This record gives sequence, C-alpha cells and structure tokens, in this order.
Amino acid sequence: KNQVEQSPQSLIILEGKNCTLQCNYTVSPFSNLRWYKQDTGRGPVSLTIMTFSENTKSNGRYTATLDADTKQSSLHITASQLSDSASYICVVPSTNKLIFGTGTLLAVQP
Amino acid sequence: SAVISQKPSRDICQRGTSLTIQCQVDSQVTMMFWYRQQPGQSLTLIATANQGSEATYESGFVIDKFPISRPNLTFSTLTVSNMSPEDSSIYLCSVGSTSGAAYNEQFFGPGTRLTVL
Repeated sequence: KNQVEQSPQSLIILEGKNCTLQCNYTVSPFSNLRWYKQDTGRGPVSLTIMTFSENTKSNGRYTATLDADTKQSSLHITASQLSDSASYICVVPSTNKLIFGTGTLLAVQP
Repeated sequence: SAVISQKPSRDICQRGTSLTIQCQVDSQVTMMFWYRQQPGQSLTLIATANQGSEATYESGFVIDKFPISRPNLTFSTLTVSNMSPEDSSIYLCSVGSTSGAAYNEQFFGPGTRLTVL
C-alpha cells in the first residue's frame, strides 16, 4: 500500500534553534517527493521538490534530503524563526494522485 | 506559479443545508482538484474537476454529495450538499502544472473553512 509517514507528529523548539523533520514513504514507482509548508488557516505552499537523482536541495533556511534506497527524506530547518511555526507536509505522487503524509506540526517559541 | 482564490474563506452552516465553494485561478490550467482536510488530518482528494465533462471522484466521495462544476479552464465550484457536522473541514482547491506531467507541481488555494452546526 502506498503510504507516507512523518515524524515527529509535533515539535516545539526555541527561536534560533535548528530542527529536522522526517518522512518515510512506500510509494512505488517513485518519481519525486515534495515538502509543503501549511500555515494555520492557509493552503499548503511548496518548499521543495526532489527527484529520484537528487540527494540534497536547499531553499533558504530549508534543506531537504532524499535517500531513495531507504525511502526516507528529511527537512532541516536552520536558525528557526517564529514564522516557521506551521504544519510541514511530505507528499509523494503515486500513479494518478498525490499521497500526503499526516504532517509535522512545528511550533517555534520565542 | 498559479494564484488561486477561494470563496468563501470560511462559513458556518446549519445541518441539512448546502454550500457552494468557488475556486478562481489567475491562468488557464488543465488540472483542477478538490481536497478535504478534516481537523488534525492531512489532505484527502475528493475529485478531479474536468473541464467540459463530469468530475472524477475518489473512493468514498459521490457526485450527489459533492457536485462539482468546471465551466472553463480558470474556474470551478464544489458544493457540499445536505451538510452534517461530519462535513466540518477545510476544503481546498488545487491546480496542477500546465507544463510537463500533470503532477510536476501542484498549487493550493487558501482553503475554505466550513463548520456545520
């Protein structure tokens, strides 16, 4: 069964600290993996898309990694800011639709 | 990227009534989708809105409950019919990339937060 699992379910960190979110997937065949940020009351916004051949991809303070062999991805946030407080969703396309993870709810506290 | 707007942004409705949600895109797009996000849950695809033909519904969703219109390449509506409290969710419109494969990129609208009393 095609699934995307994320951990932790929620996370609280202090402003300025780093954190890493995890995503494991069992979707096959695999073409790409996406990380989205969803602010409260808003729609998801794409942070990065990683294809099979990419190991690391950065978007500002966000760095995503992909290990296609172990079917794992991580999203590392550096020097967190209060505005990073959001839900982070890992998404992997299946044959005809997107498979969404349940998300990691990140709270950055001052 | 595509800019997507939805109306209304939120609503509180009575059980048994219906609500129509509008989705407007700033450019012509081939693929349009409707998702539901229940409280504390991730997104679930309701249907693909096809221009000029009936929408394609996912398992567990039916046209009588969620009728969809797609009159052109920039606009779609989703109606939540005969609502019950279990329909309380965020409903999101999404569009696919117009270049390359349909799932190269998807953009999401801001969502419509529906509460059914």
